[in-house]
Amino acid sequence: NAGVTQTPKFQVLKTGQSMTLQCAQDMNHEYMSWYRQDPGMGLRLIHYSVGAGITDQGEVPNGYNVSRSTTEDFPLRLLSAAPSQTSVYFCASSPPTSGDTDTQYFGPGTRLTVL
Amino acid sequence: GENVEQHPSTLSVQEGDSAVIKCTYSDSASNYFPWYKQELGKGPQLIIDIRSNVGEKKDQRIAVTLNKTAKHFSLHITETQPEDSAVYFCAASGAGSYQLTFGKGTKLSVIP
Repeated sequence: NAGVTQTPKFQVLKTGQSMTLQCAQDMNHEYMSWYRQDPGMGLRLIHYSVGAGITDQGEVPNGYNVSRSTTEDFPLRLLSAAPSQTSVYFCASSPPTSGDTDTQYFGPGTRLTVL
Repeated sequence: GENVEQHPSTLSVQEGDSAVIKCTYSDSASNYFPWYKQELGKGPQLIIDIRSNVGEKKDQRIAVTLNKTAKHFSLHITETQPEDSAVYFCAASGAGSYQLTFGKGTKLSVIP
């Protein structure tokens, strides 16, 4: 049981380039989400998914796309990277709940620099 | 939407002393309040959480208290150890919602 895995760990992009940050979990969790972490800003929700085929926007969705074709994977796409997207990105997942919010498990993060 | 304020932003304590971190939230409908510890270069890890039907919860040296009326909750770490040094985040979420709103974090340093 690997938990939540993210690849790559580090990435440097030039402005305008595109890339996909990968996130996978092997815990059969329905809920998955992406956060970005910037110095002094805490973690801010980008997009989330409550199950395969269902995604929705969080607090800071602009410039990012997501899709959820399987329960295990939740990739985050940057279509045209901008320096403002330099950040550390975390993926998280949570098991199905009966109505109460449950523990979110975080991956190790991807550190992205956009030049 | 929900707004979570966390303070202090930095905290230094002597080994063996207690540390207290406080958070306030704005949405009275929020009912789930986790605390995460983040070590350098790693993802946040849940250390304790509390739901709005409970006023206090303890787990060994860690405790969390919740005051729903005042809309604030606190993390208490007793007998601090150097390995407690990390950044701590509080968060809040509403009933049936998966969306966590985080505070901006507290960097705790435990001085041997």
